[in-house]
Amino acid sequence: GNSVTQMEGPVTLSEEAFLTINCTYTATGYPSLFWYVQYPGEGLQLLLKATKADDKGSNKGFEATYRKETTSFHLEKGSVQVSDSAVYFCALRDNAGKSTFGDGTTLTVKP
Amino acid sequence: DAGVTQSPTHLIKTRGQQVTLRCSPKSGHDTVSWYQQALGQGPQFIFQYYEEEERQRGNFPDRFSGHQFPNYSSELNVNALLLGDSALYLCASSFLPGQGSPYEQYFGPGTRLTVT
Repeated sequence: GNSVTQMEGPVTLSEEAFLTINCTYTATGYPSLFWYVQYPGEGLQLLLKATKADDKGSNKGFEATYRKETTSFHLEKGSVQVSDSAVYFCALRDNAGKSTFGDGTTLTVKP
Repeated sequence: DAGVTQSPTHLIKTRGQQVTLRCSPKSGHDTVSWYQQALGQGPQFIFQYYEEEERQRGNFPDRFSGHQFPNYSSELNVNALLLGDSALYLCASSFLPGQGSPYEQYFGPGTRLTVT
């Protein structure tokens, strides 16, 4: 079946530091890939997406590129802020519409 | 435009009881999926409804059942509750893959179920 493996956390960074959260996946066919963010006590918010190989998703300074050759979709941000502190989930959605999530990576950004 | 809404926000039940959770999809969406998110873990797919029928199901026992209504809203029912059913239950809506924009799911805020 499909699976998503995320870099284990927690990750603690100082404000303005560079962020990378690794994500690799296993899937048949050509899934779409997503990053979601979850703030305490809330549901999931879509952060960015990529629907085919070599697509780059971007939003709010975050970026991730769909790398089919390495089955990866690493999340990056050049300069994190305290407000970026949250749990980040990598996910894939197969052609039938079923989504598979990683276990999440907790990011804490300190002033 | 209202997004995905879920009710109730929180719920406390006793082992062996039954519970019903409700979800209204984002306007225009016709497909509803349910997920269980245990503390510290990612969401796990329970099932997906389209045209009032269950299209796909994850690895959950038959105690978990659902329903979709003609207005696309949905219910998740869990019978014979176990302590391990305590989790955040998330509803997500989308278009059916192959129609409209098939790639994005919009999530509701979830229902926090505690089983004692």
